[in-house]
Amino acid sequence: AAGVIQSPRHLIKEKRETATLKCYPIPRHDTVYWYQQGPGQDPQFLISFYEKMQSDKGSIPDRFSAQQFSDYHSELNMSSLELGDSALYFCASSFSRRAYEQYFGPGTRLTVT
Amino acid sequence: GIQVEQSPPDLILQEGANSTLRCNFSDSVNNLQWFHQNPWGQLINLFYIPSGTKQNGRLSATTVATERYSLLYISSSQTTDSGVYFCAVMRGGFKTIFGAGTRLFVKA
Repeated sequence: AAGVIQSPRHLIKEKRETATLKCYPIPRHDTVYWYQQGPGQDPQFLISFYEKMQSDKGSIPDRFSAQQFSDYHSELNMSSLELGDSALYFCASSFSRRAYEQYFGPGTRLTVT
Repeated sequence: GIQVEQSPPDLILQEGANSTLRCNFSDSVNNLQWFHQNPWGQLINLFYIPSGTKQNGRLSATTVATERYSLLYISSSQTTDSGVYFCAVMRGGFKTIFGAGTRLFVKA
């Protein structure tokens, strides 16, 4: 069965640079979620999109923005990167008609040096 | 906002032992999931269980929504069960709150 695809899997950036993470949800899934997981921490909800509209917002820094495109893939744009942005970034997707059960991608490991 | 507490925070088991992990939540929820994060960082769905009981092989889960808790049972544990077990809830909307997790290590 198809899973959530994230790219790239690993990314190394320097402070003050920008990064773009991509997420391709499971086919037919209409909702995408983004999470940030720091070392030894639980995943923190950043933002979600339902049918290409922002649906909920969590602890997402103003330096970050995201959108969902017409083909349902989503991108998380991160600017003015800081050392503290180093983390594992997960994307998840769900199908609203199946009660929002979330399936997670493999994550993108971002290292800011 | 809603609080999610998991216990115990850490657990060490001998292979073959059974265990029960608990997730308490401070308010009513309409979605609850259990995940296993393996040592490679992958988050794997175990159960979607806003209420009731489900079983999948050696794992089972029970959520008592009226009393605001969920339990994950692991029987005959194996070394591959090691990792972190997370409970995650949604209460209206799409915002999802994770508990701090239970770190499980199964010794051979």
